[in-house]
Amino acid sequence: ETGVTQTPRHLVMGMTNKKSLKCEQHLGHNAMYWYKQSAKKPLELMFVYNFKEQTENNSVPSRFSPECPNSSHLFLHLHTLQPEDSALYLCASSQAGTEIVTGELFFGEGSRLTVL
Amino acid sequence: GQNIDQPTEMTATEGAIVQINCTYQTSGFNGLFWYQQHAGEAPTFLSYNVLDGLEEKGRFSSFLSRSKGYSYLLLKELQMKDSASYLCAVVDSNYQLIWGAGTKLIIKP
Repeated sequence: ETGVTQTPRHLVMGMTNKKSLKCEQHLGHNAMYWYKQSAKKPLELMFVYNFKEQTENNSVPSRFSPECPNSSHLFLHLHTLQPEDSALYLCASSQAGTEIVTGELFFGEGSRLTVL
Repeated sequence: GQNIDQPTEMTATEGAIVQINCTYQTSGFNGLFWYQQHAGEAPTFLSYNVLDGLEEKGRFSSFLSRSKGYSYLLLKELQMKDSASYLCAVVDSNYQLIWGAGTKLIIKP
């Protein structure tokens, strides 16, 4: 148990569906992240929120839409995805100030997404 | 470009010692992390090095040489539960985390 909970753990969706991934952290952190993990590839940072403000968007396609309603919750809204978007989506949190990374990350177990 | 290199896969025997190497070329350096990730689980923090030298933490040690752009993770007295992927990540001058693709470690009895 890392203090970061992701739901659902597994998701299968068609290319025309709309779904959302949810992340909740119970650690009192003020930075939250979405990462994409594909087999045998480095983790890809997608979005970063510091104090609920988006501070990083690494050229992610608009079919991925993040939402951070408060410092404990983070969502990733998905629509009209492509098969190549199939991957493990990891949420993480950290105690951070203005820097993107000043300490270790605490990861959730991920949401395994399959796009048919 | 920025790059982190680590072996894709390694195999070792229970009770033995294994060293997982990580070399990096990044724009600046503000520290290096090692994370462990068991299959289907969250990556978890193992170590953080920002100064040269060896940091020991139980059966696990992490070494850093900034001049050589090199780190290694040393695992002693290997146990079956050490079978996992080990991720190396470097914090660059912009405080961005640059990740390696991970090393899958297989422990055999």
